[in-house]
Amino acid sequence: EDKVVQSPLSLVVHEGDTVTLNCSYEVTNFRSLLWYKQEKKAPTFLFMLTSSGIEKKSGRLSSILDKKELFSILNITATQTGDSAVYLCAGTWGGSEKLVFGKGTKLTVNP
Amino acid sequence: GAVVSQHPSWVICKSGTSVKIECRSLDFQATTMFWYRQFPKQSLMLMATSNEGSKATYEQGVEKDKFLINHASLTLSTLTVTSAHPEDSSFYICSARDLRVAQPQHFGDGTRLSIL
Repeated sequence: EDKVVQSPLSLVVHEGDTVTLNCSYEVTNFRSLLWYKQEKKAPTFLFMLTSSGIEKKSGRLSSILDKKELFSILNITATQTGDSAVYLCAGTWGGSEKLVFGKGTKLTVNP
Repeated sequence: GAVVSQHPSWVICKSGTSVKIECRSLDFQATTMFWYRQFPKQSLMLMATSNEGSKATYEQGVEKDKFLINHASLTLSTLTVTSAHPEDSSFYICSARDLRVAQPQHFGDGTRLSIL
C-alpha cells in the first residue's frame, strides 16, 4: 500500500483559476510532509509541514497539514502558465530522513 | 542558498560502459546525500542514502555492485553506474541535506542517462 497518495493525478485549468492539490499519507510514525514542484528538471522545494493547522504561505501558494485526517493540501491562487508543473508530495517517518514520494499531480495551466 | 549541483546533465553512451555522476553541495555541508531514479511520467524512487565517510545504504531491490556510491567529503557524492545496459537508462537525481540543521532535502538538476 502506498504511503503517500496524491490526487488528482492530472488537472487542467485556465489562467486565473484557483487549484487545490491533495495529499494523504500513512500515519504510523509520521514526522513531516513536504511539497515540491518539478518542471523539466529536478524538484524545487516549496513547503515543509510538521504541525497540524498551521498554514504556510509563499506568494500565491499555500499549504496546510491536517494530522487528524492525515492529509495536506497545496493551494495555488490566480494560477499562471508558469505554474504548470508536476507537484510532488513526500513524507518522512520515524527517525529516517528518507523521502517517500507520491505519484505527483500534473498541473497544466492554459492561457 | 542550499544549491546542489549535479554533473553531467546528460550522458549518452554505449552498453557496457561505466558512467559516473557527481553531486555537489555548493553552499552548505551535506552530511547526507540521496540518490533517486525517475522513469518517465513516474515519481522519484529512492535508490540509496549515503552519509559522509561511511558506506551507502541501498533500498531493497537496488544492486549495490551495479550502482556504486561514494561520499568521500561533505560536499561531494558520486554515483557510478557500472557496465550500464539499456534498461539502466533513466533520470538520476541526487539530493543533499545537512542533518545537523533543520532543512529539507535540496535537489540537483538531475542527469539523463541514455544507454545505447
